[in-house]
Amino acid sequence: DAGVIQSPRHEVTEMGQEVTLRCKPISGHNSLFWYRQTMMRGLELLIYFNNNVPIDDSGMPEDRFSAKMPNASFSTLKIQPSEPRDSAVYFCASSLEREQFFGPGTRLTVL
Amino acid sequence: GDSVTQMEGPVTLSEEAFLTINCTYTATGYPSLFWYVQYPGEGLQLLLKATKADDKGSNKGFEATYRKETTSFHLEKGSVQVSDSAVYFCALTGNMLTFGGGTRLMVKP
Repeated sequence: DAGVIQSPRHEVTEMGQEVTLRCKPISGHNSLFWYRQTMMRGLELLIYFNNNVPIDDSGMPEDRFSAKMPNASFSTLKIQPSEPRDSAVYFCASSLEREQFFGPGTRLTVL
Repeated sequence: GDSVTQMEGPVTLSEEAFLTINCTYTATGYPSLFWYVQYPGEGLQLLLKATKADDKGSNKGFEATYRKETTSFHLEKGSVQVSDSAVYFCALTGNMLTFGGGTRLMVKP
């Protein structure tokens, strides 16, 4: 299995631009999670889906952030408009039972 | 709610030293407990897990025992290597994973 796939691996953009991060979970997994990691705040859960339905989005920082999961094999996390404080590494993870498998992350830099 | 507390780092050791990273938790019910490791520039990888009280998880020379009476899941390794340098996260799961803040380990040759 290829594991969780995220793209792009690195993204550099300017403040105000729209950013879309993509994730392909492991085939057969029914839960998907988006995390953000920064030095200041550590690892934060943003949102998670179960069977493509958002279950808990209480970690989404503000309305500029949105996430979708149109089918079992694809999810996006969008930031519009982006701000410098959104700079972080964003991880996607998927699971079937309790163990989560993480992707390699997308390093986002907003200038 | 559920929470995980782990010792703050960084922890700096010489090669072949003994490692302990403390982890305690607060949770309702009977969570599963995990240690994840994050190497520089990579995502988190599951290192070991334990699903019930008194279970011992082990992998790559690391081990941790699920202690319900002390609500702890301390990570240990008898002889660390430079390649063990990474950030280690303790976590528990009910409906979703709750992570500790991470402990950076630096092993010097």
